[in-house]
Amino acid sequence: DTGVSQDPRHKITKRGQNVTFRCDPISEHNRLYWYRQTLGQGPEFLTYFQNEAQLEKSRLLSDRFSAERPKGSFSTLEIQRTEQGDSAMYLCASSLVVQPTGELFFGEGSRLTVL
Amino acid sequence: GQNIDQPTEMTATEGAIVQINCTYQTSGFNGLFWYQQHAGEAPTFLSYNVLDGLEEKGRFSSFLSRSKGYSYLLLKELQMKDSASYLCAVSGGYQKVTFGIGTKLQVIP
Repeated sequence: DTGVSQDPRHKITKRGQNVTFRCDPISEHNRLYWYRQTLGQGPEFLTYFQNEAQLEKSRLLSDRFSAERPKGSFSTLEIQRTEQGDSAMYLCASSLVVQPTGELFFGEGSRLTVL
Repeated sequence: GQNIDQPTEMTATEGAIVQINCTYQTSGFNGLFWYQQHAGEAPTFLSYNVLDGLEEKGRFSSFLSRSKGYSYLLLKELQMKDSASYLCAVSGGYQKVTFGIGTKLQVIP
């Protein structure tokens, strides 16, 4: 098992451009979470999936953010018309709900810088 | 919704014991996690409590009181490598996992 992988690891873009991040969870995991983290803060919940179903999207997120998990495997997070305030680390995590712990396994993150 | 509070910073001496507290309010409860995060790295799992009481794992222990909405992480025999942020996270309804701001621990010689 290769763990949770995220791509790209770093993205620099200009304000107004669209960006897409991909997350490949641990293969048998049915839950997938997206978080955003800025310096000195804890991970902020964005959205999560049970298989292909999106269970909740944070009310703090604008309509510029969208996430999908089309076949219940990998997931994408798209940010449209990026703003400088979107600069952050975007973390993906997966878990297996039937586990006793439901422990979240994190990827290394995708760092976004909006110029 | 969920609300999680923990101190933002703590300092402790190498070889000592430190306790990091976490209080929470949640609608629905499916357990509480502690994660460690070194600067520039992803969070890594430390412990999970779903029932009241103490869970011990080597130098790390975690305690939970569901009636008080309270948990703590206890680190013994502190080492310099323990300098990191410690994240308290609550699994609420439908196992939505919400994190606190994190406690930045500095271990000094």
